[in-house]
Amino acid sequence: AQSVTQPDIHITVSEGASLELRCNYSYGATPYLFWYVQSPGQGLQLLLKYFSGDTLVQGIKGFEAEFKRSQSSFNLRKPSVHWSDAAEYFCAVGENYGGSQGNLIFGKGTKLSVKP
Amino acid sequence: DAGVTQSPTHLIKTRGQQVTLRCSPKSGHDTVSWYQQALGQGPQFIFQYYEEEERQRGNFPDRFSGHQFPNYSSELNVNALLLGDSALYLCASSQRLPLSLIFGSGTQLSVL
Repeated sequence: AQSVTQPDIHITVSEGASLELRCNYSYGATPYLFWYVQSPGQGLQLLLKYFSGDTLVQGIKGFEAEFKRSQSSFNLRKPSVHWSDAAEYFCAVGENYGGSQGNLIFGKGTKLSVKP
Repeated sequence: DAGVTQSPTHLIKTRGQQVTLRCSPKSGHDTVSWYQQALGQGPQFIFQYYEEEERQRGNFPDRFSGHQFPNYSSELNVNALLLGDSALYLCASSQRLPLSLIFGSGTQLSVL
């Protein structure tokens, strides 16, 4: 069965430091991969997505992610974290359902705290 | 563009009651999906509607039902509420192609 693992429940980084959030997935075929961010009490905002092609994907707010098939990973990175990046981050894998998008399977999330 | 709008934002119900949550998709989107997010968890897929029919369903009991209207808006109905139904309910819309979900801000349901 498809699954997504985010090994880190909570990460704290200093403002200006680099960030890497880990995501591992289990999926039989080539997955559709996503990273979403959620601020407290809010919905999910799409940061970036990978469907095919270049394995390094650029997203909004200066985030990027790299798809590594050999490691079944899709880690999210940012070179310099801002205090406004404090939020919860969710990795998700999407099913290819008859050529269109099926449901998303989410990890449990990683909460990011930013120290001044 | 208003994006995905959900109503109400908050709701308090008691066990055994029934609840209806509403969602208007982003302009140009024709597919609506519903997710349940319990506290401290990632969202879990409930079901997806396209062309006014349920196309996919997650592992949720029949107490959870939905509807999609000709204007693509959607409702989620939950009958015989349980304490465990307390969660943030998220609606997401998309086009069949390309493939990305846009989420609303959710409805926070509390069951007492």
